[in-house]
Amino acid sequence: NAGVTQTPKFRVLKTGQSMTLLCAQDMNHEYMYWYRQDPGMGLRLIHYSVGEGTTAKGEVPDGYNVSRLKKQNFLLGLESAAPSQTSVYFCASSYTREGGYTFGSGTRLTVV
Amino acid sequence: SQQGEEDPQALSIQEGENATMNCSYKTSINNLQWYRQNSGRGLVHLILIRSNEREKHSGRLRVTLDTSKKSSSLLITASRAADTASYFCAPVAGGTSYDKVIFGPGTSLSVIP
Repeated sequence: NAGVTQTPKFRVLKTGQSMTLLCAQDMNHEYMYWYRQDPGMGLRLIHYSVGEGTTAKGEVPDGYNVSRLKKQNFLLGLESAAPSQTSVYFCASSYTREGGYTFGSGTRLTVV
Repeated sequence: SQQGEEDPQALSIQEGENATMNCSYKTSINNLQWYRQNSGRGLVHLILIRSNEREKHSGRLRVTLDTSKKSSSLLITASRAADTASYFCAPVAGGTSYDKVIFGPGTSLSVIP
């Protein structure tokens, strides 16, 4: 099993550009999450989904949008990238709300 | 939302020594989980302890939970250089609906060969 796969692994964007980060899991997990990690800040929850077709805001949702059209995929979109969105983005999934999260290897995004 | 706060922020020990790190949280939980993150990688699930358990073991890992103090500790015995990583706790709330889990800044463990 591949687990949780994130694409791309690295990306450099110019301010104002848009992009979509893809998260795919092959474990039939209901719950999926997008976190960002900045130095000294731990992981902050951006958006999450409790099942196909659902999305909800996390701790820091501004500037991001998400979609969960298929159970196995959770997309994170940046409509107009800003330097403050420079970060490492992690996707995670879990079978139940009780956690036991499986994380992807991350996407390192730099906005210049 | 639920957030864990790890302590200390950084810990440096010699190979073979034991490492202890702590986690505090604020509200009632269903379970508490510990994760490891190696530099530049995603988090890896280590162990889950339920609210009705007081201690749990997995290999060289020992986790304790004190719900009255809203705290947990992770002990790594006979540490190895490969244990060098950041460690995070994740308290998971009770109830029937999802409650956001916010990870704290973690404990950065350095094991010196």
